[in-house]
Amino acid sequence: KQEVTQIPAALSVPEGENLVLNCSFTDSAIYNLQWFRQDPGKGLTSLLLIQSSQREQTSGRLNASLDKSSGRSTLYIAASQPGDSATYLCAVFRPGNTPLVFGKGTRLSVIA
Amino acid sequence: EAGVAQSPRYKIIEKRQSVAFWCNPISGHATLYWYQQILGQGPKLLIQFQNNGVVDDSQLPKDRFSAERLKGVDSTLKIQPAKLEDSAVYLCASSFSEDSGYTFGSGTRLTVV
Repeated sequence: KQEVTQIPAALSVPEGENLVLNCSFTDSAIYNLQWFRQDPGKGLTSLLLIQSSQREQTSGRLNASLDKSSGRSTLYIAASQPGDSATYLCAVFRPGNTPLVFGKGTRLSVIA
Repeated sequence: EAGVAQSPRYKIIEKRQSVAFWCNPISGHATLYWYQQILGQGPKLLIQFQNNGVVDDSQLPKDRFSAERLKGVDSTLKIQPAKLEDSAVYLCASSFSEDSGYTFGSGTRLTVV
């Protein structure tokens, strides 16, 4: 059974810092990995999708990497801003349009 | 493209009452999912549809939860009767293919009192 772990559970940083969020998964036979952002009381917003043939994806100040052999993904946020404050969720799925399996998320607070 | 639409946004009901949630996926997305997210947890799958057929409902508490997908487009999720532990955010997601990723709606926050 696939299990996804996200560390740390919560993180507080001053504005302007670069930071890394970690995601690990137990079954390396995943197909794709997707990072989401969730604001309090809201739905999930997709940030980055890393497909099986890729090792990383970038969007603006965000960079996500995937190492299937070690069962790890990292989300790097450069020059953090208060608007980045949210919960970040990592989710993996196997081939065949299978459901996402989520971690519990990392709650990020960026202090001005 | 329009996103995944969900309604209502919020619902407060008393225990033992019934409630229904509605989801309209992105046009052309054959796969639709309902997830339950309890406060402080990651979303957990309740049911997966492919067109109007159920692919996986192994984690759906079938004694009280039911779901259907009408004509392979809109979907409704119903709880009857509700329990206190059903208080959660109910998220609907759809996907075109495994390579396109998943798109989520804004969710319905249910409070059972």
